[in-house]
Amino acid sequence: KAGVTQTPRYLIKTRGQQVTLSCSPISGHRSVSWYQQTPGQGLQFLFEYFSETQRNKGNFPGRFSGRQFSNSRSEMNVSTLELGDSALYLCASSRQTGGNEKLFFGSGTQLSVL
Amino acid sequence: DQQVKQNSPSLSVQEGRISILNCDYTNSMFDYFLWYKKYPAEGPTFLISISSIKDKNEDGRFTVFLNKSAKHLSLHIVPSQPGDSAVYFCAASDPFTGNQFYFGTGTSLTVIP
Repeated sequence: KAGVTQTPRYLIKTRGQQVTLSCSPISGHRSVSWYQQTPGQGLQFLFEYFSETQRNKGNFPGRFSGRQFSNSRSEMNVSTLELGDSALYLCASSRQTGGNEKLFFGSGTQLSVL
Repeated sequence: DQQVKQNSPSLSVQEGRISILNCDYTNSMFDYFLWYKKYPAEGPTFLISISSIKDKNEDGRFTVFLNKSAKHLSLHIVPSQPGDSAVYFCAASDPFTGNQFYFGTGTSLTVIP
């Protein structure tokens, strides 16, 4: 069974630009969550999508948005990039939402904002 | 506000000995906990979980202990192996927010051959 796939692996952008990251979950998984990891920090929850609906959102500005498609694939968008948005963005999938689910992570997209 | 804390940024252990990684949390609503291992340039890999109805869960060399009154959990690795060298994260969730997990800042474990 293929794991969680994130593209692209690395991305370099400049301040003010926007970026779209993509995530393909494990086959059969309907929940996709996004996390941000910055140096020295743990993973910070961005949002979760389940059955094309945003289930929950973390404490991030509105510049961070996402969506989920009918095949459970998800995209995350960051508009008007700031230097502080440089981070590793991780996508995780699970079969269901809540109910003591395990999250399976992709390798992440390393975003650098110059 | 860090609701899950791993107060030891790093830990070194001799091969074959026990590694104990600790995690504290502040939110009494947390009822499900996960441990992940992360190598550089890779995503976190699930290790073991525990729900609040248990105080211990074992899987091979890995055992997680939960002390709800102290809001503390620990991961024991016995025996430690050089391949266990990685960053370990604990994570917690409550019953109301789906798959929103709160992660600690991680402990870097080095197992010395």
